[in-house]
Amino acid sequence: DGGITQSPKYLFRKEGQNVTLSCEQNLNHDAMYWYRQDPGQGLRLIYYSQIVNDFQKGDIAEGYSVSREKKESFPLTVTSAQKNPTAFYLCARSLGAGGQGTDTQYFGPGTRLTVL
Amino acid sequence: QKEVEQNSGPLSVPEGAIASLNCTYSDRVSQSFFWYRQYSGKSPELIMSIYSNGDKEDGRFTAQLNKASQYVSLLIRDSQPSDSATYLCAVNGWGYGGSQGNLIFGKGTKLSVKP
Repeated sequence: DGGITQSPKYLFRKEGQNVTLSCEQNLNHDAMYWYRQDPGQGLRLIYYSQIVNDFQKGDIAEGYSVSREKKESFPLTVTSAQKNPTAFYLCARSLGAGGQGTDTQYFGPGTRLTVL
Repeated sequence: QKEVEQNSGPLSVPEGAIASLNCTYSDRVSQSFFWYRQYSGKSPELIMSIYSNGDKEDGRFTAQLNKASQYVSLLIRDSQPSDSATYLCAVNGWGYGGSQGNLIFGKGTKLSVKP
């Protein structure tokens, strides 16, 4: 699994519901990231965290929330405020953000979210 | 405006040929460059990273970086049908106003290797 797991693999949400996507890593990496991928599109950064108890908004944070209470866990909540949440969600890890080599990102298997 | 540009393809090559994938980026201060392969329905997997001008070879893959021209490419020699995937170029976003650890991704080039 490359040291990073995501669950569930598939998730279905009804309109108006909040859902939480799990991301766990076991390599003691400092930095973790959440991306969204839509068909035929590149990856867009939702949130990132470079250290426990701290996280920053990415390019498309509206309608999403995260927490980083433990180094190994970085869950993403898709709230009802996210108007178009159907997408492929990818979590990634990197050793850190300190420059060459530490910024290499490795991805989990992804969660495919569908709004019913 | 941060930009990483790739030709969306599809790029079709016959089995055994060299596939050449190209990527341009807009910010001169970018320091780290990555190529990821993504099979349909799967997550991206790292193929290569490159940090210095010139070529870097790993098996059938060669990454080429030219910082003066803001250009990075990936060559796949002896292409196989199993290489058929979307290839994503990513650039460290140091100069894009965000965290230096963040990557900016292109939209990817779809490669099809015909038997």
